[in-house]
Amino acid sequence: EIVLTQSPGTLSLSPGERATLSCRASQSVSNNHLAWYQQKPGQAPSLLVYGASSRATGVPNRFSGSGSGTDFTLTITRLEPEDFAVYYCQQYGSSPRSFGQGTKLDIK
Amino acid sequence: QVQLVQSGTEVKKPGSSVKVSCTISRDNFRAYSVSWVRQAPGQGLEWMGGIIPIFGSPDYAPKFQGRVTITVDTATTTATTTTGYMELSSLRLEDTALYYCAVDRGDGYSSWFRFDFWGQGTLVSVSS
Repeated sequence: EIVLTQSPGTLSLSPGERATLSCRASQSVSNNHLAWYQQKPGQAPSLLVYGASSRATGVPNRFSGSGSGTDFTLTITRLEPEDFAVYYCQQYGSSPRSFGQGTKLDIK
Repeated sequence: QVQLVQSGTEVKKPGSSVKVSCTISRDNFRAYSVSWVRQAPGQGLEWMGGIIPIFGSPDYAPKFQGRVTITVDTATTTATTTTGYMELSSLRLEDTALYYCAVDRGDGYSSWFRFDFWGQGTLVSVSS
């Protein structure tokens, strides 16, 4: 079973700043099948990035994913007010599929 | 276009079972997966299990093995609509959560058990 550990737990930044979120896997993620989701209060999560680095349809290009193997990063350049939310990574390359515990991005 | 519509709120007693449905409408047929993810109040996301309807064999997270049953109603499936179900038995207070169904885009192996589209969530409340 792959355990995903996200850091930091909470990230406090201001609009316009750059955010870097980390996701580390306890073992290599098969085929880099690693996704990132954004969840706002009262809403279902929404897919941002899949395959470690491919943006989902309609996702602004200020969101980018990178990494391979066990270390992955979600970067948000120039934070917009609507980007303050909780972010989860998820591996879907092997069973059981698993999520990280989440990073809360809040306004400084 | 993909739409997922889930059944409504459930209030259950400890020890009972709950069955949640998810009607999936797609504009074309693809080999996709259907998963169930739950979120306890104020907590993170937890994958419970999933199924690829064209294959039919479900895959469960070890934590829920023996207590969860995920199915797809093949009898009523059409080219564009499928209904999936998640049944959780021996309910405990800690099963109180929002339960989501989620499907992938249908790119085959490369997208199975990734969650491109989500239902609106079904609240299951377990209380004595």
